[in-house]
Amino acid sequence: SAVISQKPSRDICQRGTSLTIQCQVDSQVTMMFWYRQQPGQSLTLIATANQGSEATYESGFVIDKFPISRPNLTFSTLTVSNMSPEDSSIYLCSAKQGANTGELFFGEGSRLTVL
Amino acid sequence: KQEVTQIPAALSVPEGENLVLNCSFTDSAIYNLQWFRQDPGKGLTSLLLIQSSQREQTSGRLNASLDKSSGRSTLYIAASQPGDSATYLCAVNDYKLSFGAGTTVTVRA
Repeated sequence: SAVISQKPSRDICQRGTSLTIQCQVDSQVTMMFWYRQQPGQSLTLIATANQGSEATYESGFVIDKFPISRPNLTFSTLTVSNMSPEDSSIYLCSAKQGANTGELFFGEGSRLTVL
Repeated sequence: KQEVTQIPAALSVPEGENLVLNCSFTDSAIYNLQWFRQDPGKGLTSLLLIQSSQREQTSGRLNASLDKSSGRSTLYIAASQPGDSATYLCAVNDYKLSFGAGTTVTVRA
């Protein structure tokens, strides 16, 4: 299994600012993902973080709003840019080892509140 | 597009009772299905992973079954305890993971 650490665990942000969330995995993983969980909702995939190249974004999510980096096989960042109250959510980093049939693991999440 | 449904949305049982949580999905061409537990304000903890070729998986008091042809999975939790109170999510992997909305379980002492 993989242990995933995220920081910050929570933050309160002002409208119009940007925040970067860091995700560190304790072992090399093939795939890393970023999810959003809005209050009372299930998880929505934002993007797949690709090592050394641009992330693959899901419909409704764009790079200008959610730039993602993945410089190596154990680390990724998600930036939430120009935040508005609608961005208040839990952002979750996840990772998968091995093939696409492998088990998915999650970090503890980063709870963002935008005022 | 894969649609994942979990019924019921919420469940309250007395301690000791067995729990039955249901998950259905619309496209049976899946790699696997995974059950997670989420405590309030926390991340997801993986409970069981069932590959598409498997019928069931067991871990302690937890047993998950998979009927791919009918698009259904069931999570059984035996002899529930107050510590089992959480939201349980199923996720279907057909290259991308699609999550259900979850079943929120309350086990009353």
